[in-house]
Amino acid sequence: QSVLIQPPSASGTPGQRVTISCSGSGSNIGSNTVSWYQHLPGTAPKLLIYNNHQRPSGVPDRFSGSKSGTSASLAINGLQSEDEADYYCAAWDDSLNGIFGGGTKLTVL
Amino acid sequence: EVQLLESGGGLVQPGGSLRLSCAASGFTFSSYAMTWVRQAPGKGLECISGISGSGGSTYYADSVKGRFTISRDKSKNMLYLQLNSLRAEDTAVYYCAKSNSGWFFPLDYWGQGTLVTVSS
Repeated sequence: QSVLIQPPSASGTPGQRVTISCSGSGSNIGSNTVSWYQHLPGTAPKLLIYNNHQRPSGVPDRFSGSKSGTSASLAINGLQSEDEADYYCAAWDDSLNGIFGGGTKLTVL
Repeated sequence: EVQLLESGGGLVQPGGSLRLSCAASGFTFSSYAMTWVRQAPGKGLECISGISGSGGSTYYADSVKGRFTISRDKSKNMLYLQLNSLRAEDTAVYYCAKSNSGWFFPLDYWGQGTLVTVSS
């Protein structure tokens, strides 16, 4: 089981808002920044959010991130069919390792 | 344009070795930390090793410590991962990824991955 805990699945209908949570501890999320990645099978993962809430250029503003204490969340507004993918949170852990959450499979109904 | 191209994957017997390579282009290679991430079949992403821009700092996941070695050659813009004493559970797609800074996270560009299969 991953050190960063995510729900294994999430779903929504087109146009809805969906949030994905990521729960960690003081040695990772509590003391370091969080990033989020979108992964479609067979493709390279894509950075969606870094430094808890910043978006790289080219990432739609429908995607937003936040962090509070030892938890973080990714929100997707105006859900689209193309958003169907696996989503991972990640953070540095002070035990000297990078860690990913277990991943959340998002289904667009 | 940043490009990362992994190679070196393949089928290997348990206990065997492989060397993965990642050819980097489109950025000043020595300025950025690099990381190897893998995804086993049906599983999530796992950070297994990272190396600072200078090569002076490295880290390894407990699952590979003592068996895998990360290195980089700034003259060739190449990242490497030497995999020794391979086990069935090392079967995965291995991605190389670039940090957006001198620190190990976040990972802003990724390669397409190379498949390593450990089986007899």
